[in-house]
Amino acid sequence: NAGVTQTPKFQVLKTGQSMTLQCAQDMNHEYMSWYRQDPGMGLRLIHYSVGAGITDQGEVPNGYNVSRSTTEDFPLRLLSAAPSQTSVYFCASSPDPGNSGNTIYFGEGSWLTVV
Amino acid sequence: GQQVMQIPQYQHVQEGEDFTTYCNSSTTLSNIQWYKQRPGGHPVFLIQLVKSGEVKKQKRLTFQFGEAKKNSSLHITATQTTDVGTYFCAGEGGYQKVTFGTGTKLQVIP
Repeated sequence: NAGVTQTPKFQVLKTGQSMTLQCAQDMNHEYMSWYRQDPGMGLRLIHYSVGAGITDQGEVPNGYNVSRSTTEDFPLRLLSAAPSQTSVYFCASSPDPGNSGNTIYFGEGSWLTVV
Repeated sequence: GQQVMQIPQYQHVQEGEDFTTYCNSSTTLSNIQWYKQRPGGHPVFLIQLVKSGEVKKQKRLTFQFGEAKKNSSLHITATQTTDVGTYFCAGEGGYQKVTFGTGTKLQVIP
């Protein structure tokens, strides 16, 4: 199994450009999420999904859109990139929402720079 | 909303010294998980604690969950250079609402 796969690993964007970070998991997990990691800020939840067709906002959703058309895929869209969105982005998945304490599996991260 | 704080933010230790990081939640947690992130890597699950007052050990690592289920700690005995990284706690306060702590970055000096 590949686990959680994110692409691209590195990306440089100009302010105002849009892009999509791709995320796919092959573990048949219902729960998927996107985090951003900034120095000293830990991991902050952007959006999450508890199953195909269901998404919800996390702690820092502004400037980002998500969709969940399949169980496997959970892309994150930056609508109009801003320098404040320079960060490391992690996609994550977890089995079976509703069962407390499920391990979260992370992708390897996407380093995004907005200039 | 739920907040999870970790202290210290940074810790430098000589190899062989002990290390402890503390995690405090603003709300009662149903469980707490600990993750380790190596420099340049992604967070990797270490352990989960569920019961009030629970203590678990993994070799040189000891994890505790507070009686009130609002705090937790990770203690590493006799640190090694392989322990270098950032340690995060993650608390679940409700239905899949997982909040990560701010992390403690550990540097081990050989």
